[in-house]
Amino acid sequence: DAGITQSPRHKVTETGTPVTLRCHQTENHRYMYWYRQDPGHGLRLIHYSYGVKDTDKGEVSDGYSVSRSKTEDFLLTLESATSSQTSVYFCAIRTGTTQETQYFGPGTRLLVL
Amino acid sequence: TQLLEQSPQFLSIQEGENLTVYCNSSSVFSSLQWYRQEPGEGPVLLVTVVTGGEVKKLKRLTFQFGDARKDSSLHITAAQPGDTGLYLCAGALGYALNFGKGTSLLVTP
Repeated sequence: DAGITQSPRHKVTETGTPVTLRCHQTENHRYMYWYRQDPGHGLRLIHYSYGVKDTDKGEVSDGYSVSRSKTEDFLLTLESATSSQTSVYFCAIRTGTTQETQYFGPGTRLLVL
Repeated sequence: TQLLEQSPQFLSIQEGENLTVYCNSSSVFSSLQWYRQEPGEGPVLLVTVVTGGEVKKLKRLTFQFGDARKDSSLHITAAQPGDTGLYLCAGALGYALNFGKGTSLLVTP
C-alpha cells in the first residue's frame, strides 16, 4: 500500500460540466501521474508532475488540466467534460529514483452523459 | 502511440496448466515492469526487470527481460484461480511508462 487515495471513486456528470478529480498521497513523493484506462487502449498518460507547481503533458493531455499546489495533492480537471472522456482514471506515484517504480491508486470511474 | 504489444490478448486455462505471456516492442527500454490488475482496482506492480537477459522469479511466476531490452515474457507455472486478472507490461522510456494493452487471464478450477 503506497498511501494513495483518489476521490471521488465514481462520478456521473453531464457533457459540458467541469469535473475535478483528486489524488492524495501520504508519503511526500515528488513525482505523480494521471493516466486513463480505456478498453482497447490500455493505460495512457494524461499529465504528470515532478514537483509543486511543476507539471507537464503526457500522450493524451487535450481537454485536461492539472494542478499541484501541495506535494501531497495532484488534481486533474476536465474543464468541459465530453463523452469521450468517459473512462477510468488512475493516479500513480513514483517512489524510486527512476520512473519504473510507480504505484497506482484505486481509480476513479467517470461517466460523462 | 502503443509501443508495447502484448500477446495473447485473452487466455482461458484450467487450474494447474502452465502459460506464457509475451510483451514485445521495437524500442529499447531502460527497464520493464509487469503489473497485475483485478476488476475495479488499480494495477499492482509485480516486478521490475532492468538488465538485458535478466530472469526474476516470484513464487510460480518467472519474468524474463530480452537480451536487447526490447521484449519480456511472463511464465506462470501451475496456474491457480487466484492468478486470474489483467497482466500489463510497461516500458520505461523517457519521462513516463508506456503500457501494453494487457493480457486478460482467466483460470478456472
